[in-house]
Amino acid sequence: NAGVTQTPKFRILKIGQSMTLQCTQDMNHNYMYWYRQDPGMGLKLIYYSVGAGITDKGEVPNGYNVSRSTTEDFPLRLELAAPSQTSVYFCASSPLVLAYEQYFGPGTRLTVT
Amino acid sequence: GQQLNQSPQSMFIQEGEDVSMNCTSSSIFNTWLWYKQDPGEGPVLLIALYKAGELTSNGRLTAQFGITRKDSFLNISASIPSDVGIYFCAGSPYSGAGSYQLTFGKGTKLSVIP
Repeated sequence: NAGVTQTPKFRILKIGQSMTLQCTQDMNHNYMYWYRQDPGMGLKLIYYSVGAGITDKGEVPNGYNVSRSTTEDFPLRLELAAPSQTSVYFCASSPLVLAYEQYFGPGTRLTVT
Repeated sequence: GQQLNQSPQSMFIQEGEDVSMNCTSSSIFNTWLWYKQDPGEGPVLLIALYKAGELTSNGRLTAQFGITRKDSFLNISASIPSDVGIYFCAGSPYSGAGSYQLTFGKGTKLSVIP
């Protein structure tokens, strides 16, 4: 199993541009999450999904959108990128039972200039 | 939202020394977890705790769920260079199906001097 994979690894965006961060998991997990991590800070939840077709906002959803059409994929969309969205983004997934046991991807480092 | 206070923020220790770090919450948590993050990687789950007073070990790592349900502790014995990284506590006030809603601390950065 590859676990949770994320693409791209790095990206530089100009202010106002849009992009989609890709996340795929091959563990058949029900739950998927997007977090952002700023320097010296813990992880902040952006959006999460409890299953295909179901998504909900986390602590810091503004400026982002998500969709979940399949169990495996959970892309994160940034519209009109702003410097405040410069961060490292982590996707994670967890099973229905033991839902706290979140498996993280390697992250996407995004810079908006 | 809920906040977790994790201490210390950073620590430098000699190889072979024991390490202690802790995490406190302003509210009661029903699940406590400890993750480790290596540079350039995502966090990896080390230990999960479900009951107040619970003491759980994973190799040289031992974590405890505080009796008040508002704190947790992580100890690392006989540290080695590969213990370097950032250790995060995380908790959830929920149990069962709702326990996926985690709050993370800001992390303790551990450096090991050979």
